[in-house]
Amino acid sequence: GAVVSQHPSRVICKSGTSVKIECRSLDFQATTMFWYRQFPKQSLMLMATSNEGSKATYEQGVEKDKFLINHASLTLSTLTVTSAHPEDSSFYICSARGHGNQPQHFGDGTRLSIL
Amino acid sequence: KNEVEQSPQNLTAQEGEFITINCSYSVGISALHWLQQHPGGGIVSLFMLSSGKKKHGRLIATINIQEKHSSLHITASHPRDSAVYICAVDNNDMRFGAGTRLTVKP
Repeated sequence: GAVVSQHPSRVICKSGTSVKIECRSLDFQATTMFWYRQFPKQSLMLMATSNEGSKATYEQGVEKDKFLINHASLTLSTLTVTSAHPEDSSFYICSARGHGNQPQHFGDGTRLSIL
Repeated sequence: KNEVEQSPQNLTAQEGEFITINCSYSVGISALHWLQQHPGGGIVSLFMLSSGKKKHGRLIATINIQEKHSSLHITASHPRDSAVYICAVDNNDMRFGAGTRLTVKP
């Protein structure tokens, strides 16, 4: 089945650091990638949707200058948390969808802890 | 009202018991996913359904499109099944249920 690889799985860093998370589709072309955030004991919340080669569409309340999303190729999207602060500590998950009405496939997630 | 409602919110069972988790949704969908999230946070996709029933090992998932309802069943539950189970519906955007926290005691 389709595999989505997310890296790194865990990041611990100091406040003020920028952190990049990668999401790769390993065996299919992901025309659309999604980035989700999960706070403790809460469900997944969509942050943004990115289509290859175009700017990401951000959900209401998500700061696009804070969470930079790049989807430069059909197999890679990156989420950069700029100047991260402790309140950005969360679990971030990506998913990817191929052409047409293909289902979404999820990455394993990245646990970000900002000290 | 949430577009995806899961029940129960929490479930504790004894090893060996038959488990049912329910999901109701109010939007049109192209597919419904059952996801498993272990304490470390990683998401495992258990099933993707658009109709009928699927079985994988001790797990069974059913969906009734007309009634907008899906169930996830676990037979002969085991402590390693302890996790959060999330129902998600795909209608171009994903909508997630709040999750069901399952604890299976030995």
